[in-house]
Amino acid sequence: QQQVKQSPQSLIVQKGGISIINCAYENTAFDYFPWYQQFPGKGPALLIAIRPDVSEKKEGRFTISFNKSAKQFSLHIMDSQPGDSATYFCAARPFSGGYNKLIFGAGTRLAVHP
Amino acid sequence: ETGVTQTPRHLVMGMTNKKSLKCEQHLGHNAMYWYKQSAKKPLELMFVYNFKEQTENNSVPSRFSPECPNSSHLFLHLHTLQPEDSALYLCASSQAYPLAGATTGELFFGEGSRLTVL
Repeated sequence: QQQVKQSPQSLIVQKGGISIINCAYENTAFDYFPWYQQFPGKGPALLIAIRPDVSEKKEGRFTISFNKSAKQFSLHIMDSQPGDSATYFCAARPFSGGYNKLIFGAGTRLAVHP
Repeated sequence: ETGVTQTPRHLVMGMTNKKSLKCEQHLGHNAMYWYKQSAKKPLELMFVYNFKEQTENNSVPSRFSPECPNSSHLFLHLHTLQPEDSALYLCASSQAYPLAGATTGELFFGEGSRLTVL
């Protein structure tokens, strides 16, 4: 069964610190790796995504690092802010064609303390 | 209205009740999804509709019955549920792919329907 394993389950970071969330996958037939951010009472929303032919993607304070040989990817949040407090989900899309069948990790609840 | 709208936001039902969850998207997408979100577990894909045709059913019990009358509306009919079915049910939509030159596979989620089965 295709799986995406995410760690840690929860994370506490001080304001201004770096938040790091890790994911690992088992299937090599994934072609797209997004990260979603979910605030309480809201649905998940796309934060940043990467394709396997790229090793790093940066958007503002958010960076994805991708290690294809290790089948791992991670999200780094630089200069973490209290407004970043949310649940973060990594995901992977099997190349099934036609639609976005995403396989999600279990989520990381991030709390950024002022 | 814009985006993906789900109703009701909260639902409490007994094990013998029949109820329905509704999802509507105003994004012009042609793929719609039901996900189940339980605490400390990955989002579980339940069903996928692609151009109104069901293309995925991830071994979901028959007490959950989806319906997609058109590309903008998706329903989840519920009957004789169990307490372990209590969860947040998320609807999402996206463009079907691949489109020429498409580089994104973004899912747009609604805010979910919080279901409690007594």
